[in-house]
Amino acid sequence: QVELVQSGAEVKKPGSSVKVSCKASGGTSSTYALNWLRQAPGQGPEWLAYIIPAFGATKYAPKFLGRLTVDADTATNTVYMELSGLKSEDTAIYYCARRGSLGFYFDYWGQGSLVTVSS
Amino acid sequence: ESVLTQSPGTLSLSPGESATLFCRASQIVSSNYLAWYQQKPGQAPRLLIYGASSRATGIPDRFTGSGSGTDFTLTISRLGPEDFAVYYCQQYGSSPWTFGQGTKVEIK
Repeated sequence: QVELVQSGAEVKKPGSSVKVSCKASGGTSSTYALNWLRQAPGQGPEWLAYIIPAFGATKYAPKFLGRLTVDADTATNTVYMELSGLKSEDTAIYYCARRGSLGFYFDYWGQGSLVTVSS
Repeated sequence: ESVLTQSPGTLSLSPGESATLFCRASQIVSSNYLAWYQQKPGQAPRLLIYGASSRATGIPDRFTGSGSGTDFTLTISRLGPEDFAVYYCQQYGSSPWTFGQGTKVEIK
């Protein structure tokens, strides 16, 4: 059974950066794209980026280009998301999720990491 | 970017009734790459349907997805207490992949 376990909650000041981790286990291949999404209170999820750990290939939503970096450590099956220039609007639950086998729907999700941006 | 509009915003139903949820895309969803998710408070979304009509592993056949082009529907027959939740549609036909704002199915 695929399991994605994320790092804990963070509280950050505006203008700072946050780094969230997601460790995969249960046999999911490093050739699967692992995605980052976020969900602000009362809103639908928003896709941010993906990385294919085996190849280091990445794709970002245009809105986050220049402010978001995703990378992976294949030795530990862990992917990371770092968001810089934090604003209050970045307050959300951040999820990692695996791409499905037939397209970019998301079949396995992490438990979520709450990031709160507040002065 | 494809904008997904879900309706209604809230559906108030009794257990045993059926629910019909709608999702309209601002542009044609390529290859009917449309997914549906269920989300309960404090939990991550759970995949129900992909490819507009294919049920994900372990999803009961009470959940039926249909539609094509820009208009899609999720039907939940015989609502059980565990089905009261928020439902989201998501298109993955064109990047960036986008989600609707959700339909809440609540107990009447």
